[in-house]
Amino acid sequence: DGGITQSPKYLFRKEGQNVTLSCEQNLNHDAMYWYRQDPGQGLRLIYYSQIVNDFQKGDIAEGYSVSREKKESFPLTVTSAQKNPTAFYLCASSIALTDTEAFFGQGTRLTVV
Amino acid sequence: AQKVTQAQTEISVVEKEDVTLDCVYETRDTTYYLFWYKQPPSGELVFLIRRNSFDEQNEISGRYSWNFQKSTSSFNFTITASQVVDSAVYFCALSERIGSQGNLIFGKGTKLSVKP
Repeated sequence: DGGITQSPKYLFRKEGQNVTLSCEQNLNHDAMYWYRQDPGQGLRLIYYSQIVNDFQKGDIAEGYSVSREKKESFPLTVTSAQKNPTAFYLCASSIALTDTEAFFGQGTRLTVV
Repeated sequence: AQKVTQAQTEISVVEKEDVTLDCVYETRDTTYYLFWYKQPPSGELVFLIRRNSFDEQNEISGRYSWNFQKSTSSFNFTITASQVVDSAVYFCALSERIGSQGNLIFGKGTKLSVKP
């Protein structure tokens, strides 16, 4: 089945450690996105990528990094510079950056202790 | 600046009741897109509808309907004869860059609980 896979569903890390969240899609979509969701809040855009080897900062990119070496994959690294990393992270993809619906993964809940 | 406001934080209804979720947006652009997404307890967002700023026709899809009014900058969502499976958080979102998903601005969401 086509879709977006995020792994793991739950992730625990110690403060000060970098952690990488996985996002894989087999929809042949060019565009991919990372959003952060905090309780009672809407989604906020962290990074997005229009095409392989290209990505742009979103509204809250500080403390995060991404790569887009393959069309199918868009991993997000939460670095120790991110002051409040505990949140629910959602990955999405769309056929292109413009005028299309986005398909979302099931999310990764990151807890930093 | 663009902004999306969903004033209703939580709504609770009994099955078979109709319920309307409000969405008010702010934008300076004349060309923009509006979206509704559903987030069930499993976490993923499910796309429901996309509307461009030039199309003010109301849309109906089964028990779902949407009322887009540019005069009041609103894009409200109505569920008719609600069911327990409709329980979820619903997000309204705005994109100014001709539907660019890279520029989606989300409201804070409305949590809908439908009780049997």
